[in-house]
Amino acid sequence: GEDVEQSLFLSVREGDSSVINCTYTDSSSTYLYWYKQEPGAGLQLLTYIFSNMDMKQDQRLTVLLNKKDKHLSLRIADTQTGDSAIYFCAESDNTDKLIFGTGTRLQVFP
Amino acid sequence: DTGVSQDPRHKITKRGQNVTFRCDPISEHNRLYWYRQTLGQGPEFLTYFQNEAQLEKSRLLSDRFSAERPKGSFSTLEIQRTEQGDSAMYLCAGGETQYFGPGTRLLVL
Repeated sequence: GEDVEQSLFLSVREGDSSVINCTYTDSSSTYLYWYKQEPGAGLQLLTYIFSNMDMKQDQRLTVLLNKKDKHLSLRIADTQTGDSAIYFCAESDNTDKLIFGTGTRLQVFP
Repeated sequence: DTGVSQDPRHKITKRGQNVTFRCDPISEHNRLYWYRQTLGQGPEFLTYFQNEAQLEKSRLLSDRFSAERPKGSFSTLEIQRTEQGDSAMYLCAGGETQYFGPGTRLLVL
């Protein structure tokens, strides 16, 4: 079945870049997504990439997709304390429902 | 603000009681999805609607769960005879790109 895996935790210093990695199994995924969740809140859509692209940049966010290896990454440039949250990678299946990873907790320290 | 609202935001109930949650997407959202998120996990798909038609239900959606979207606008998710294992955050998402609401946190005592 479909599976999405992420590392559980990432700690970075304020001002550095953060790179959050994700692997997925469904090669037929149409879109791949990154969501951000702050404590007690819902999910905020950060960005998504179509499966025929290999890179997408949106301000401080850069998404890289390696479809051959089924590897997705999210790079946050100039990480700020407000970026501290849980980041979820998700793939969409052929019915467009999302399959989420377990999330990566990003902690930014001064 | 995604424009997707959920009500209530929090619900505490006793085991065995019935609960109902509501989701209001924006009017342009033909698709509406329900997910459940337990502590420390990512959201898991429950069911989704295309307008008023319920097109898919997860095996997680036992017969105690029912969802409706009668006029293709708002949706309700009902859990009958709640169990402690139902304690979770219930999330609604609207649109094909799936913009999420703030969720309803359920605690079953």
